[in-house]
Amino acid sequence: QQQVKQSPQSLIVQKGGISIINCAYENTAFDYFPWYQQFPGKGPALLIAIRPDVSEKKEGRFTISFNKSAKQFSLHIMDSQPGDSATYFCAANSEGGSNYKLTFGKGTLLTVNP
Amino acid sequence: DVKVTQSSRYLVKRTGEKVFLECVQDMDHENMFWYRQDPGLGLRLIYFSYDVKMKEKGDIPEGYSVSREKKERFSLILESASTNQTSMYLCASSLFGLAGGDNEQFFGPGTRLTVL
Repeated sequence: QQQVKQSPQSLIVQKGGISIINCAYENTAFDYFPWYQQFPGKGPALLIAIRPDVSEKKEGRFTISFNKSAKQFSLHIMDSQPGDSATYFCAANSEGGSNYKLTFGKGTLLTVNP
Repeated sequence: DVKVTQSSRYLVKRTGEKVFLECVQDMDHENMFWYRQDPGLGLRLIYFSYDVKMKEKGDIPEGYSVSREKKERFSLILESASTNQTSMYLCASSLFGLAGGDNEQFFGPGTRLTVL
């Protein structure tokens, strides 16, 4: 049972364009939704995260949009750059009182062409 | 600067060998995790530990065991390596975190294991 569904699997965008990656979840107990960015040969690193009490969070060119009723959240990368080429993972915290486990989506390979 | 290190970047083993993957973090984190990463399957949790000598199974624990004797070190053990365990293995750590806190996981660079 896949608790976090991510799409698309791969995405090609031209420099300066907008990259959009979508995730959907099933468990209404989730209350923390991070996005991780992974460059080739490196481990993933936290990019940006949101909690369901807000509908949007922006950090520089990166924005998370959150739709609680639809149980969906998405990452928007504005003015995409070749340096943004990486694999992106959405995640959600798993159930449990301490709230530290994450369930990851399957990842999106983003390629930004110059 | 926070750091999670893994003992090897690349490892080649033979079927049936016992394999140890080591992970060390210098952030005094309570939680440590082992994931495997395969193309199209994302990050799948093998085991995690929330304290010394404590461990819990993740989503795909079969064929693996773990050991955490010291807070900073978390080992993944393949008792008898098989070809289907060829993968990228990622270690991560995080603070314990209460509900409502941000539970950022810090990842190591990964170990690419090939089982022949």
